[in-house]
Amino acid sequence: DAGVTQSPTHLIKTRGQQVTLRCSPKSGHDTVSWYQQALGQGPQFIFQYYEEEERQRGNFPDRFSGHQFPNYSSELNVNALLLGDSALYLCASSLEGRWQYFGPGTRLTVT
Amino acid sequence: AQSVSQHNHHVILSEAASLELGCNYSYGGTVNLFWYVQYPGQHLQLLLKYFSGDPLVKGIKGFEAEFIKSKFSFNLRKPSVQWSDTAEYFCAVHNNAGNMLTFGGGTRLMVKP
Repeated sequence: DAGVTQSPTHLIKTRGQQVTLRCSPKSGHDTVSWYQQALGQGPQFIFQYYEEEERQRGNFPDRFSGHQFPNYSSELNVNALLLGDSALYLCASSLEGRWQYFGPGTRLTVT
Repeated sequence: AQSVSQHNHHVILSEAASLELGCNYSYGGTVNLFWYVQYPGQHLQLLLKYFSGDPLVKGIKGFEAEFIKSKFSFNLRKPSVQWSDTAEYFCAVHNNAGNMLTFGGGTRLMVKP
């Protein structure tokens, strides 16, 4: 049984560019949440998707957007990248919003 | 808004020493509480969770945590640590009114052999 998978593993982008990160949830899970983990800090909630809709959003600007597909996989898009967007982006999946299983993350570096 | 505080940012222990990591949260309603662990180079793993019932919960690898509602605390304990427990530990809160996990800043534990 595959756990939560994320791609790519690492990514380097330039300021102003756009990036798309991908997540496949654990088998049987229907809810996907995205978190940003800056170096030396705890993860911060970006948003959660359920039934292909954004169910809740954290304190992140509109430059951060997402999507959930019918197979429950999800994408995180970040536009107009800033240096401060450099972080580990974590995807977590759950069933009906209960305890969340995390993927390995995508390390984004903005130069 | 809910928040989580982990008071110890870095902890260094020798093998066989006892461990207690502090976690306090602020939220007035019903909460679910978690401890996650992040071993070097690995992803976040659930160590233990509290939803209801017995406030003393046991997790994997000999860890346990006690929920003290009056103190808004959920401290993590282990009687005897091993070198393999070297990792970063995160306390997190999830309330029934929302769907987000709120994490503390983490505690980096180093166990010396």
